[in-house]
Formats: sequence, structure tokens, C-alpha cells
Amino acid sequence: GESVGLHLPTLSVQEGDNSIINCAYSNSASDYFIWYKQESGKGPQFIIDIRSNMDKRQGQRVTVLLNKTVKHLSLQIAATQPGDSAVYFCAENSKAAGNKLTFGGGTRVLVKP
Amino acid sequence: KAGVTQTPRYLIKTRGQQVTLSCSPISGHRSVSWYQQTPGQGLQFLFEYFSETQRNKGNFPGRFSGRQFSNSRSEMNVSTLELGDSALYLCASSLWDSNTEAFFGQGTRLTVV
Repeated sequence: GESVGLHLPTLSVQEGDNSIINCAYSNSASDYFIWYKQESGKGPQFIIDIRSNMDKRQGQRVTVLLNKTVKHLSLQIAATQPGDSAVYFCAENSKAAGNKLTFGGGTRVLVKP
Repeated sequence: KAGVTQTPRYLIKTRGQQVTLSCSPISGHRSVSWYQQTPGQGLQFLFEYFSETQRNKGNFPGRFSGRQFSNSRSEMNVSTLELGDSALYLCASSLWDSNTEAFFGQGTRLTVV
């Protein structure tokens, strides 16, 4: 199967601090990107998305940044809370490449009280 | 509005058997995609169904198949189960395709013994 960035790094963050999760994608034709949060025993939960005609999008406490020049995506979480502890996945989609989501390997975020 | 529902939540099967998993998408969503999640390979795309037709397929053997009914509910089947098929099988529903928000169910945890 295909995948993007297959590894599971861990980010430890102090409660109240901001978190930045990074993702490198490989397909320059990708035109839609999504960040998901997955808690233990649950399915991935949609957080925020961004299309390739944008470079920044904000949601509630989250911001996604897209840098198409270096094929990099990041998720910023403001004032990280214990409930933010989970594995975060980026996913990319390209209509030209078959219109199916390709997922990164994920980043585990641990929030320390 | 009900989310994506997958049944059963857990399954234990013996090598060589077959299994059928079910997914009910969000009401009004017409696209259903299936993914396999394992610790070693991450989240990998299996196939996508739209209007009862398989529209896209990942790189899995023919033992993995699926179908979609007129009410958009979908099933996936795995025949001649192998130990390596043990995984979390996730279903995602979208309004149209993977270029729109995709929402996941809780998944079915399949264990092959």
C-alpha cells in the first residue's frame, strides 16, 4: 500500500503550551489535506482541512499551515489541553492520482499536566 | 445527525475463514471508503464506493472485496483470512468523494487466530 511519512514520533507538551505537529507529503499534485485526531480505541476524528489554493486556515484552537513549495503541512494547537493527547494524522488527496486519501504515519501527542 | 456506524466492533476469526464487516454512512453521504489500520503499515486505503459502484481501489489482494447498497450502506468482505489480516478496519463517509470532508466510524477490530 501507499503511505506518507511512515513513522510515529512523539511530541510531549506541557498543558497550556502550544503544539506544532508537522507532516511532509510526497505528491505535488495533492490538492486537499486533512488533519485527523485518533484517540485510543476510536476511529480518526476530523479536525480541520485545507485546499491547495490556501496556505492557512484556522479553526477553534487549531490552525493548519500549508507550504506547497516544500510540500509541508503543519497543525498548530493553541493552549494544549489533556484531552488533546492522541495520535494525529495528516492525510492528502489528489484527484489526479485517484481521489483517495493517503495518510501519514501519525504523531503521538502527550500532554503533561 | 448520527455519525458513521460500523458493526461489529470486535471480531475473532480463524485462519481460512471469511468475514463481512458493515458500515452505515452519515445520512445523505454517498461515498463510502474503507481503510485498514495496522501498527506496521498505518492507515491504508482499500476501496471506495459511490452509488453502488466501486470507484477506486487500493493495492490489496482480491480476497478483499466490498459492495454498496442503494441506501449507501456498505459491506466489505475478506475471504480466506490470514494472520496478517488482523487489523482495525475503518469506514469513512463523504458527501461526494475524498476531496470533501471524510468522517470515520469507530472501526471493527478484527483478530485472526
